[in-house]
Amino acid sequence: NAGVTQTPKFRVLKTGQSMTLLCAQDMNHEYMYWYRQDPGMGLRLIHYSVGEGTTAKGEVPDGYNVSRLKKQNFLLGLESAAPSQTSVYFCASSYSIPDQPQHFGDGTRLSIL
Amino acid sequence: KQEVTQIPAALSVPEGENLVLNCSFTDSAIYNLQWFRQDPGKGLTSLLLIQSSQREQTSGRLNASLDKSSGRSTLYIAASQPGDSATYLCAVRYQGAQKLVFGQGTRLTINP
Repeated sequence: NAGVTQTPKFRVLKTGQSMTLLCAQDMNHEYMYWYRQDPGMGLRLIHYSVGEGTTAKGEVPDGYNVSRLKKQNFLLGLESAAPSQTSVYFCASSYSIPDQPQHFGDGTRLSIL
Repeated sequence: KQEVTQIPAALSVPEGENLVLNCSFTDSAIYNLQWFRQDPGKGLTSLLLIQSSQREQTSGRLNASLDKSSGRSTLYIAASQPGDSATYLCAVRYQGAQKLVFGQGTRLTINP
């Protein structure tokens, strides 16, 4: 039971570098989400997708881009990393029915120097 | 604004005690409320999901209740154990929204 798998688990970047975080789910979920978790701020939604080929902005989308080319994968990109993007990033997925739970991955700890 | 609040931010109790964690939300128009557990440096583990039409859900020593009219949910942990030590997060899916709105969490420590 893999569930939601995030890659990588840890990463350190320099300001201005780019990188892509990968989320993969094996539950055939339609919906996928990217959150960030910061001390004192809780978890906040960055972007989400309601199906293959679709994406939408969440609460804090600036500085991030996403793509959902395959139903099972949801990619989060940082084109030019900034120290303010130092955070723990969580991916989640769920069925499209609103009363279904969201399932979370183990997170990616990202530091921007 | 649709918000979720958890009080207290931290709680420390002796092993064996029964305890209650609180969660309040600002709008009664919700799809569901989900309780999660988060261990240090780890992801979120879903504990219980309560639909808007339900009053409570139980799983083992955990019982979660929901009172939409007062905008409150409680997570009851019976016969607490040191392994229950973690941060407990409450999250609400409001109607018309895709995202979950999270509380700040309660950091629970069970002392042997």
